[in-house]
Amino acid sequence: ELKVEQNPLFLSMQEGKNYTIYCNYSTTSDRLYWYRQDPGKSLESLFVLLSNGAVKQEGRLMASLDTKARLSTLHITAAVHDLSATYFCAVGPMDSNYQLIWGAGTKLIIKP
Amino acid sequence: NAGVTQTPKFQVLKTGQSMTLQCAQDMNHNSMYWYRQDPGMGLRLIYYSASEGTTDKGEVPNGYNVSRLNKREFSLRLESAAPSQTSVYFCASRPPSSQPQHFGDGTRLSIL
Repeated sequence: ELKVEQNPLFLSMQEGKNYTIYCNYSTTSDRLYWYRQDPGKSLESLFVLLSNGAVKQEGRLMASLDTKARLSTLHITAAVHDLSATYFCAVGPMDSNYQLIWGAGTKLIIKP
Repeated sequence: NAGVTQTPKFQVLKTGQSMTLQCAQDMNHNSMYWYRQDPGMGLRLIYYSASEGTTDKGEVPNGYNVSRLNKREFSLRLESAAPSQTSVYFCASRPPSSQPQHFGDGTRLSIL
């Protein structure tokens, strides 16, 4: 059974600092997604990672995937207040083309 | 350009009442999903429909039924609501291959 763990679950940081959110998963997968959710809002897709060594960047966010370590990271560079949100990773199990298993989310608060 | 539309946005029910949550997408996607989101638990899949005419159980299907009415619409029914079903419900649809799911704005459901 595929399990997905994110850490930390809560992160408070200052603007301008760098930090990394980790997403570990327990069995082989061929696809991993990062989403953002603002309070009381829907989920917005950030990155799709489909192969070992994949790296995607958008603004101050960069995501990477190491399928051998079963680990994805979401790195935040020089954080700004607008990046405050909850970030989720979701992993697709190999035995299903349709299902995703979600991490519990990382609530990120960036203080001015 | 509506994307995924969910109705209603908010609902309060009494224990034992029934209701149907509606979801429609205008992106011509084959796959559609119903999730529930509870604090600290990420998203959990209730049911999904890989294509028109098919539905399958997810992680937490007990107490729910679904109907894939046509390619656009996928409804979720609570036959006899219980307080444990208090949650935020999200509908999503997905393009072919490994593209990310698109989410509606959610239905906030409280059962007293």
